[in-house]
Amino acid sequence: GDSVVQTEGQVLPSEGDSLIVNCSYETTQYPSLFWYVQYPGEGPQLHLKAMKANDKGRNKGFEAMYRKETTSFHLEKDSVQESDSAVYFCALREGGGNKLTFGTGTQLKVEL
Amino acid sequence: DTAVSQTPKYLVTQMGNDKSIKCEQNLGHDTMYWYKQDSKKFLKIMFSYNNKELIINETVPNRFSPKSPDKAHLNLHINSLELGDSAVYFCASSQAPGQGKETQYFGPGTRLLVL
Repeated sequence: GDSVVQTEGQVLPSEGDSLIVNCSYETTQYPSLFWYVQYPGEGPQLHLKAMKANDKGRNKGFEAMYRKETTSFHLEKDSVQESDSAVYFCALREGGGNKLTFGTGTQLKVEL
Repeated sequence: DTAVSQTPKYLVTQMGNDKSIKCEQNLGHDTMYWYKQDSKKFLKIMFSYNNKELIINETVPNRFSPKSPDKAHLNLHINSLELGDSAVYFCASSQAPGQGKETQYFGPGTRLLVL
């Protein structure tokens, strides 16, 4: 079946640090790739997406490149802010279906 | 205007009880979902309905029964609640697949605690 593996646990950068949260996926079909963000007490919301290989998703200074050759979709930001603190989920949607498979989530806590 | 709403927000109940969670979306979407998020934040799909028809049914115990009275509503009924059912349950909705607008919109969650 489909699977998504991402950086586990917490990431604790200081404000202004650069950030990479790793995401690798496995699927037999051609997926669409997503990063969802979840703030405390809320449901997940779409952060950025990429529909095909070499697409780059962008939002609020975050970027992720759909790399088919390495089956990866790493989330990157040059300079994190305290307001970026949240749980980030990498997810894939297989082919033409509508089922999302999520990674385990990465808690980002940006320290002042 | 709330896009995807769920009631109740919190639900505390005893083991063995039966409870329901309701979900409504006003986005005009054809597809709705139920997800379970455990204490470690892991999110897993349980069910999906497209225009009132069940299309995804993951390996969920028979005690969980979704019902979709119309395409704007998807309710979740849980029989004989167990301690392991304690979690946050999220409803979500999206356009049907193949239309290029399949972003899923999540509700605020229902926090279920079984004592």
